[in-house]
Amino acid sequence: DAGVIQSPRHEVTEMGQEVTLRCKPISGHNSLFWYRQTMMRGLELLIYFNNNVPIDDSGMPEDRFSAKMPNASFSTLKIQPSEPRDSAVYFCASSERTGHSNQPQHFGDGTRLSIL
Amino acid sequence: AQSVSQHNHHVILSEAASLELGCNYSYGGTVNLFWYVQYPGQHLQLLLKYFSGDPLVKGIKGFEAEFIKSKFSFNLRKPSVQWSDTAEYFCAVNGNNRLAFGKGNQVVVIP
Repeated sequence: DAGVIQSPRHEVTEMGQEVTLRCKPISGHNSLFWYRQTMMRGLELLIYFNNNVPIDDSGMPEDRFSAKMPNASFSTLKIQPSEPRDSAVYFCASSERTGHSNQPQHFGDGTRLSIL
Repeated sequence: AQSVSQHNHHVILSEAASLELGCNYSYGGTVNLFWYVQYPGQHLQLLLKYFSGDPLVKGIKGFEAEFIKSKFSFNLRKPSVQWSDTAEYFCAVNGNNRLAFGKGNQVVVIP
């Protein structure tokens, strides 16, 4: 059983460039989450989807960040334009059974993003 | 919105020592509680979870956690750690369908 798959694993780019992070959730999972992890702020929820619909994007830091989930098996997190302070590890997670808060989340390996 | 506090962000101990990591949360409603572990360079993995019933929960690798509702706590314990337990440990609370993580405890076990 494949877990949550994220790509790329590492991304290094110059500030001002557009960055797109990708996530494939576990098949059959209804909920998908994007997190950002930094030393200073720990793990922060950016946005989550239920059945491909964005439910809560209050954690998205600003308009430069956007996320989409065009179908049940794919989601993207885009940063445009990128800034050095966006450097972090970005995790995608998925869980089953929409609306049931007792379902654990399964995490991908993360994308380590460095903006120069 | 719920919040999670983890104390003693850096813990260093020797093999065979006992480990206890504190977790306190603030949320007035029904919560579901989790501990996740992140080994160096890896993704977060579920260690154990509490939904209801026996407040003492046993997880993988000899870990256990106790839910004390009156104290809003969900502390993690392991009686005898191993070098392979070196990792970062995150407490998480799910209330109102939103999972909130603590800032984590960095645990280093010295052989």
